[in-house]
Amino acid sequence: SFVLTQPPSVSVAPGKTATITCEGINIGSKSVHWYQQKPGQAPVVVIYYDSDRPSGIPERFSGSNFGDTATLTVSRVDAGDEADYYCQVWDSSRDLWLFGGGTRLTVV
Amino acid sequence: DVQLVESGGGLIQPGGSHKISCEASGFTVRNNYMSWVRQAPGKGLEWVSIIYSGGMTFYADFVEGRFTISRDSSKNTLFLQMNSLRAEDTAMYYCTRVSPSRYGGPGEFAQWGQGTLVTVSS
Repeated sequence: SFVLTQPPSVSVAPGKTATITCEGINIGSKSVHWYQQKPGQAPVVVIYYDSDRPSGIPERFSGSNFGDTATLTVSRVDAGDEADYYCQVWDSSRDLWLFGGGTRLTVV
Repeated sequence: DVQLVESGGGLIQPGGSHKISCEASGFTVRNNYMSWVRQAPGKGLEWVSIIYSGGMTFYADFVEGRFTISRDSSKNTLFLQMNSLRAEDTAMYYCTRVSPSRYGGPGEFAQWGQGTLVTVSS
């Protein structure tokens, strides 16, 4: 079955750029959505359809998706961006909705 | 404003049954894709089930026929009936509204409730 693989953790200094990857076979052929989850809170969509930002999400959040890797990029990172980030796709061939294992972003 | 409020979580014995609910406001449940997503303590997100506006339902492989998703239009409420519960079903269960995809079918999990905690333990 289709599997999404994310690095467990990413660390970045304040003001720098964080890159979080989501790998899956030919993931570029699917729409990827990204969610941010802060401790004790429900997830929130930060990127949908690979690279679109919902209203209210800062321009610092961007996404791309090509080949076997989708990427979430957070520019000019600040402490408020510390959270778990999950990628998600719909495997339409099996009607399954899949999440990556999640990546904890730490601002050091 | 869209609001999703889950309820009904609690402590259930292994092998038992339980039903959780999600009351929606700001939109009509029967006209939307609605889904349950769960999160075991300290773990990642895991999709559980979805119901389409037309009534079609789908489940994750781990459900193995034990859960049933349903809705009550008169109460604008989504439900998840869970039977033969196992310790590994212990999780926060989130109710979500799924946006329609710009390409047809379901899109992203657009709105989430705050979750209801189901604990399966003797």
